[in-house]
Order: sequence, then structure tokens, then C-alpha cells
Amino acid sequence: DAGVIQSPRHEVTEMGQEVTLRCKPISGHNSLFWYRQTMMRGLELLIYFNNNVPIDDSGMPEDRFSAKMPNASFSTLKIQPSEPRDSAVYFCASSQSSYNSPLHFGNGTRLTVT
Amino acid sequence: AQSVTQLGSHVSVSEGALVLLRCNYSSSVPPYLFWYVQYPNQGLQLLLKYTSAATLVKGINGFEAEFKKSETSFHLTKPSAHMSDAAEYFCAVSRATNAGKSTFGDGTTLTVKP
Repeated sequence: DAGVIQSPRHEVTEMGQEVTLRCKPISGHNSLFWYRQTMMRGLELLIYFNNNVPIDDSGMPEDRFSAKMPNASFSTLKIQPSEPRDSAVYFCASSQSSYNSPLHFGNGTRLTVT
Repeated sequence: AQSVTQLGSHVSVSEGALVLLRCNYSSSVPPYLFWYVQYPNQGLQLLLKYTSAATLVKGINGFEAEFKKSETSFHLTKPSAHMSDAAEYFCAVSRATNAGKSTFGDGTTLTVKP
């Protein structure tokens, strides 16, 4: 079990640029979650997918954010255009889609927008 | 609706002392409760989970938590703190109708003094 794999681990970009974060969930898990963590707001759920279908995107801050899950083994979170306030650690997590299944988190992508 | 409140954003204990991290939940249906730990520059990892099988749940690294329905609490304890326990701890709740979507508390940072 390789765990949830996120790339890149660190991303530094300039305001206005497009940023794409990537996630490979654990094989066999059919729920995938994107979280954002900041000192000010803590851990925020942005969006989650079940069987590759977006179920709840109410946490996506604004239209600059979009997420896709084209297949069971890959998801992306895109920010276009990026802004300094998007600086945060972005986590991807996966689970078996059951209410008592824990989340398995990746090590996150630390995004810095200058 | 469901929510989690972690009392105390920072807890400091001496090495060898009792660790007590508090979590209270609110849920309109029987909850499923989790404790996660986050070490610096890593994602969250599951410590333990409560899924109604037993009210006292034992987890990894010597931690345990007791579900008390009358107090709507799920406090995390460890009899003797170790330096390696220094981390941030998150309580989370999910319910049967949410298919794996968890609500997280704000986290408690545990400091262990030598």
C-alpha cells in the first residue's frame, strides 16, 4: 500500500499563474477529498468525489478553483488565476465510501503564491 | 448537521504525565468519531475510531478514547506522554448518511516538555 500520493510537494508561483495539484488515491478507495489547511482557517473541505463523481463542491472558494477526477486513480485541483491568499497546504485524502471508514491523507502540497 | 468542538487549541504536558485532549461533538444521528494526528510537514494519520462496537477505543501509540453519549464527548487520553507525541491532534465526526464525509475540529497542538 503506497498510500495517497500527491505532487508536487512544494509549489511556488507568481500571482496570476495557473497551478495544478495532483493526487493518486489508494487503490480500491472510491471516495476522494481535497482539503486546504491554513493557520487562520484550519482544515477546510474543498470538494469530494464518490466513484469519480463530484458530490459536494460547496467548499470551493470561488470559480478560480476547479477539480476533476477523470478516473479512479487520479485527481487534479486547479487554481487559475492564483492569488497570494491561495497560499496554503493542500491535502488530498481517500477512503472507502463508508461512514465509518477513516480518511487516508497524502503528505500535502505546500503552495506559495507571491 | 454535525460539528466537533475541541477544547483548548494548545495543551502542554511534561514527559511522563497524563495526556488529555478534549472533544465534544454534535450530531443529530449516532455519530462515528475519529482522532487523527498530524506531525510537522505530514498529512493526518488515523489514531483511532469509534464505530459503536465498544465505548472505550484503543488506538496506536498508547492512545485511547472513551465515547460518552450522555456528555457528547470523545476525549483522547494517554497515561504517559512521550516526547514523540508532540503533534497536532484532530477530532472528526461523520454519520451514516454522509458516505465518508467527515467534519473536523480545529485541532489541538500538544507540546511535551522534557
